[in-house]
Amino acid sequence: QKEVEQNSGPLSVPEGAIASLNCTYSDRVSQSFFWYRQYSGKSPELIMSIYSNGDKEDGRFTAQLNKASQYVSLLIRDSQPSDSATYLCAVFSGGYQKVTFGIGTKLQVIP
Amino acid sequence: NAGVTQTPKFQVLKTGQSMTLQCAQDMNHNSMYWYRQDPGMGLRLIYYSASEGTTDKGEVPNGYNVSRLNKREFSLRLESAAPSQTSVYFCASSEAGPTYEQYFGPGTRLTVT
Repeated sequence: QKEVEQNSGPLSVPEGAIASLNCTYSDRVSQSFFWYRQYSGKSPELIMSIYSNGDKEDGRFTAQLNKASQYVSLLIRDSQPSDSATYLCAVFSGGYQKVTFGIGTKLQVIP
Repeated sequence: NAGVTQTPKFQVLKTGQSMTLQCAQDMNHNSMYWYRQDPGMGLRLIYYSASEGTTDKGEVPNGYNVSRLNKREFSLRLESAAPSQTSVYFCASSEAGPTYEQYFGPGTRLTVT
């Protein structure tokens, strides 16, 4: 089992819809969770961090964390074509004392 | 603030050549990291420096060396480049350790022929 798993996609959603990106992790002692956006040919850009169970909202983005299910998700409301990118999930594991990145989910927002 | 800067942006090396990738940050962060990113593999940690004066191996350190020159600068050296080191290299920094948010530089695209 991979430490951090994401579906590579592509995930296609129409403009204006909600995009839901999912990530599961294996280490129950994980403490910090991050979502990065990476445009093609560019570097990862931090968009959300979440540390405790529940929802965290920032503009059109909502991160959701469920430690019991070892699951973290990112919702993008009112998706725009400019949201088309690869979204990386990153998890800091207290057990392994390191951050592990998922392979990323490619999101395509169709105008 | 420039954030995290990297040089060069692109580089082509022949097998066996050496080079140093430079990274600097102006956010007064204590920790710095070097990653490589390959298709289908995600970001993998090569080396990191928790604080000035310390360095530790990451997941894929073979063939690389690092130097934490001061709090701002963290360089990555390839002593004898191999085609397997063809990749995109990212430097990142965080306030204090990997529990904190990491901020990435623009990357160096390296090709070894």
